[in-house]
Parts: sequence; C-alpha cells; structure tokens
Amino acid sequence: QKEVEQNSGPLSVPEGAIASLNCTYSDRGSQSFFWYRQYSGKSPELIMFIYSNGDKEDGRFTAQLNKASQYVSLLIRDSQPSDSATYLCAVRKGGKLIFGQGTELSVKP
Amino acid sequence: EAGVVQSPRYKIIEKKQPVAFWCNPISGHNTLYWYRQNLGQGPELLIRYENEEAVDDSQLPKDRFSAERLKGVDSTLKIQPAELGDSAVYLCASGGLSPDRAGANVLTFGAGSRLTVL
Repeated sequence: QKEVEQNSGPLSVPEGAIASLNCTYSDRGSQSFFWYRQYSGKSPELIMFIYSNGDKEDGRFTAQLNKASQYVSLLIRDSQPSDSATYLCAVRKGGKLIFGQGTELSVKP
Repeated sequence: EAGVVQSPRYKIIEKKQPVAFWCNPISGHNTLYWYRQNLGQGPELLIRYENEEAVDDSQLPKDRFSAERLKGVDSTLKIQPAELGDSAVYLCASGGLSPDRAGANVLTFGAGSRLTVL
C-alpha cells in the first residue's frame, strides 16, 4: 500500500463545475496535509495546506480533512480551463513530505 | 523574495557519464530537499537536509548518487555513473516559515533539472 494514494485520472469537468480531488493516506501519525498544482513541464506550486479536521477555504479552493478516515480532498468551485493541471496531494510526518502520484484535471470550455 | 534556484535546467548525457545538479534555496530556509520525479508520477524524496546535516537519505541510491550541502546553504546532487533509468526531473525544494502563508512551514520548489540519459 502506498503511503499517499490518489486516482491518477484524468478527471474531466466542464467549465464552471465543481472539481473534486481525493487523497487517502496510510500513516495515522501524519501531521499536516498539502495540495500542490503542477502544470505540464513546470514544478509543483503550493495551493493550500490544512492541519485540522474540517474544511478550509481559500477563494475557489476548499480543502477538507477527515483524520479518522485518513482522507483529504480538494474542491475547486467554478472550474476554469486554467485549472487544468495535475494536482498532487502531500502528507507531512516529521520533516518528511510524501507525495501521491497526482490526479490530472482537465476543465473543458 | 528570490525563489529556489536550480541549474542546469536541462542535461542530456550518455549512460555511464557523471552529472551534477546545483540548488540554491530560499534565503533563511534551513531545510533542503532533493526529489526525483518520473513522468506521470509524484515527486519521490531522495534526501533531506537540516542545515548541513543529511537527516533522511534512506531513499538515496548510495551506490551511484551522492549529495552535499556545504555551509548549510547551496546543495549539489551528483550521479556517477548515470544509468538509463535515471532519466527524470530532479527537483530541489526548500522548507521554511512563509510570511505569505501566515507563517506556516511550507515547501517551495525550484524549476527542476530535467535529465535525459541516452
């Protein structure tokens, strides 16, 4: 079992829809959770992080964390074609940041 | 603030040749990471430094890979000799408190060094 698992996709949504990206992790000792966006040929850039159970909103993005279920998700409201990228979930335990394989999102105009 | 700087951006070598990548982290960031990213995969940690000490190198293939971080600032990752399977993007990241993120401890990546081994 991988430490951080994501569906590789591609996930395709129409412009203006809500995109839902999911991630599960295996280590209950994980402390904090991150979502990175990676455009093709570019390096990952941080979108959001979340430490506590519940929701955290930042503009069109909402991160959700459920530690009991070892599940973290990212919702993108009013999806735009410019949101088309690979979204990487990352989990921190101690000083180590472990990434999932990423979910490719495609937003169709 | 200046970001994480990596060089070279691209490198093409023949197998069995050596190659080195250089990274300059964000000023004041004590933690430095080297990740390897294969096509279609997430980044995989190779080594993590706290200042000049390598605190996690369990995933570094030590028979051919080496790294150093002199004076706790710049870092170099070397592969000798390179193999076909080493073709990947080598990402450097630095970790520290981010004023843009309410002081949270976050990782910032450099642009990466894309290695092609022929």
